[in-house]
Amino acid sequence: KAGVTQTPRYLIKTRGQQVTLSCSPISGHRSVSWYQQTPGQGLQFLFEYFSETQRNKGNFPGRFSGRQFSNSRSEMNVSTLELGDSALYLCASSLDVYEQFFGPGTRLTVL
Amino acid sequence: AQSVTQPDIHITVSEGASLELRCNYSYGATPYLFWYVQSPGQGLQLLLKYFSGDTLVQGIKGFEAEFKRSQSSFNLRKPSVHWSDAAEYFCVALRSNDYKLSFGAGTTVTVRA
Repeated sequence: KAGVTQTPRYLIKTRGQQVTLSCSPISGHRSVSWYQQTPGQGLQFLFEYFSETQRNKGNFPGRFSGRQFSNSRSEMNVSTLELGDSALYLCASSLDVYEQFFGPGTRLTVL
Repeated sequence: AQSVTQPDIHITVSEGASLELRCNYSYGATPYLFWYVQSPGQGLQLLLKYFSGDTLVQGIKGFEAEFKRSQSSFNLRKPSVHWSDAAEYFCVALRSNDYKLSFGAGTTVTVRA
């Protein structure tokens, strides 16, 4: 069974731009969660989608948004990028809430 | 506040020596507990999990963890480390009230020859 895939793996943007990251969950998994990982703040929860509905949300500004499609694939969008948005963005999928499987992440660099 | 604490930021261990990584949690009820490993530039891989039952949990790659309710701890151990065990290890709790994952700050393990 294929694992969680994330595209692109690396991304370089400039301040003020917007970016869209994609995540394809493991087949059959309906829950997709997004996390931001930075050296200073560690791993922080962004949001979780289940069956196309946002079920949980972390403490991030409205510039961070997401959605989930009917095939469970999810996208995350960050608008008006700031330098502090540079991070590894991880996506995780799960069949239930108890065990999450992580993708390799997208490394976003904001210049 | 509900939290997960990993007291050791960095541990260096010789190849073949034993390893123990500490984790403490602060929750009203016993959360679901996990240990994940992250190699540089990679995502997180689940090593093992504890939900209930036997307090000694076996995982992949020869790792085990012991849940101790009295100490609110869930320490990870490996009897003999290999150079490939060099990575960052995260203790994680699933909060039962909102099912969000709460991560420890991570412990970086360096393995010397």
